[in-house]
Amino acid sequence: DAGVTQSPTHLIKTRGQQVTLRCSPKSGHDTVSWYQQALGQGPQFIFQYYEEEERQRGNFPDRFSGHQFPNYSSELNVNALLLGDSALYLCASSLRGMGEQFFGPGTRLTVL
Amino acid sequence: DQQVKQNSPSLSVQEGRISILNCDYTNSMFDYFLWYKKYPAEGPTFLISISSIKDKNEDGRFTVFLNKSAKHLSLHIVPSQPGDSAVYFCAAYDSGGSNYKLTFGKGTLLTVNP
Repeated sequence: DAGVTQSPTHLIKTRGQQVTLRCSPKSGHDTVSWYQQALGQGPQFIFQYYEEEERQRGNFPDRFSGHQFPNYSSELNVNALLLGDSALYLCASSLRGMGEQFFGPGTRLTVL
Repeated sequence: DQQVKQNSPSLSVQEGRISILNCDYTNSMFDYFLWYKKYPAEGPTFLISISSIKDKNEDGRFTVFLNKSAKHLSLHIVPSQPGDSAVYFCAAYDSGGSNYKLTFGKGTLLTVNP
């Protein structure tokens, strides 16, 4: 039973570039949430996708956008990267967005 | 405005002893609480949860206690093992309405010494 998978593992970009991160949910799950974890902080909610639509959004600018595909996998896109976007990006899956969320290993993004 | 607070950045205990990790919250709408463990270079792993209708939940060596009047919860690990050394995150959730996000504390680094 595959858990949550994310790609790539690490990524280095420069300011102003765009990045796309990918996530496949745990088998049987239909909801994907994205979190940003800065150094020394807890994960911060970016948004959640359910039935291919953004269902809830945290306090992040429009530079952060996402997509969910019919197979429930998801992408996180960040445009016009800033140095402050450097963080660990975590994807979590759940069933209908309820209860426990299961996390992937994350993508470490470094913006130079 | 930090709605979930873990005021101890780190905790060190001896193997075999009890580890107690604490968490406070300010949002009275939170009614479901979770603890996650995180090793370096891995994502958070779900440990145990508790609903606000209960004051205790136990799973093997892990017990979570909830004090709703004090808006406080704690995770007890007995006995502590070196493999428990990790960062522990407390998270809270409002299961009513259309809110689906987890709100996390900053975490507590637990070190269990052999």
